Amino acid sequence: EAQVTQNPRYLITVTGKKLTVTCSQNMNHEYMSWYRQDPGLGLRQIYYSMNVEVTDKGDVPEGYKVSRKEKRNFPLILESPSPNQTSLYFCASSFGGWGNGYTFGSGTRLTVV
Amino acid sequence: TQLLEQSPQFLSIQEGENLTVYCNSSSVFSSLQWYRQEPGEGPVLLVTVVTGGEVKKLKRLTFQFGDARKDSSLHITAAQPGDTGLYLCRGSTLGRLYFGRGTQLTVWP
Repeated sequence: EAQVTQNPRYLITVTGKKLTVTCSQNMNHEYMSWYRQDPGLGLRQIYYSMNVEVTDKGDVPEGYKVSRKEKRNFPLILESPSPNQTSLYFCASSFGGWGNGYTFGSGTRLTVV
Repeated sequence: TQLLEQSPQFLSIQEGENLTVYCNSSSVFSSLQWYRQEPGEGPVLLVTVVTGGEVKKLKRLTFQFGDARKDSSLHITAAQPGDTGLYLCRGSTLGRLYFGRGTQLTVWP
């Protein structure tokens, strides 16, 4: 089944403890992206990647890092999480041009205390 | 400033009613997509429209892209409880992607 898989689905952590949220897609998509979704603010793009070793900042990149060493994987790294990074995170991928339709993962609900 | 404005923000209706939700902008978009998001899940792509004036139908859902490619509407006929969800529009313009904040639709049995 074609899908984007995120792990974990739920995560509670403490301020300052480094964490990684994994994202993997099995559709051979070039384009991958991370979003956070907050009430009243909608979906905001954190980082995106046009292909392997090509990443760029989205609208809210502060406090996050990404890497794209393989086409299928696009992990999101929080080096020193803070409470304002408590949010619902989505990974998405698309084929070809970035304007094409996304396939989203099921989300990761992160709470930083 | 939100480039894509969706309205209404919330909509609560009875099963069987018809409804229209809107996605508006002052910018021209090369393409626009509609997604539906159910609680606890990621958004799911419903349709992509690329041509001004284009109309696409997906069962009881009708999507229209404005002639000037600045706006879009989603019309649902005879809404059902299974249509409940957050409807999001996403536009591509000037090398950027933008999401609207969504319309939360609730359909009561």
